[in-house]
Amino acid sequence: DAKTTQPTSMDCAEGRAANLPCNHSTISGNEYVYWYRQIHSQGPQYIIHGLKNNETNEMASLIITEDRKSSTLILPHATLRDTAVYYCIVSSFAGGTSYGKLTFGQGTILTVHP
Amino acid sequence: EPEVTQTPSHQVTQMGQEVILRCVPISNHLYFYWYRQILGQKVEFLVSFYNNEISEKSEIFDDQFSVERPDGSNFTLKIRSTKLEDSAMYFCASSSPITGTGKVNQPQHFGDGTRLSIL
Repeated sequence: DAKTTQPTSMDCAEGRAANLPCNHSTISGNEYVYWYRQIHSQGPQYIIHGLKNNETNEMASLIITEDRKSSTLILPHATLRDTAVYYCIVSSFAGGTSYGKLTFGQGTILTVHP
Repeated sequence: EPEVTQTPSHQVTQMGQEVILRCVPISNHLYFYWYRQILGQKVEFLVSFYNNEISEKSEIFDDQFSVERPDGSNFTLKIRSTKLEDSAMYFCASSSPITGTGKVNQPQHFGDGTRLSIL
């Protein structure tokens, strides 16, 4: 089963920041936190990932707590096109004895309103 | 930006027939994956493939399923004797090449999937 816990759904006003929380209290030292999203039935789209430091890219920011037991994905200025299911996944990297499979949960349905 | 491409986008097959789903991973990637998503359910891992062999597979990936990398660019999923319950979206994914340390921490990139409908 998925090793993360996310709220089932969240709402956000267009133009505002969307903050999506995720709990991963059993994360192990070699596991990364990945965020993907899925719009309708398209393929999951990679957003961002991190190990222990906060990360930012052109899509989002990822804030990981110091104990690594939880994280928050931040979409700084949500648009209607950000309406999607957002998945928080913990997984070890591919290489060595691990092949990096992703275990998806139910995710958070984010609805961005005008 | 390079992307994973999957064909066909929609496949309709009679129950009991064999079907082959095709994927072209990102060109310099070395790890390849298949996932499926039954309508309304979670995305489920099927199999990972590295160095021309299966590296990990789930309980779903039984003898009915096989994967192959027949040439340097394609990655295929074959489903034999299809059943009604095989109807789903099938997603291919690939991830980055090995770094100098032999470890990869780059994300998997997914194709847009093949919708398989078994009649």
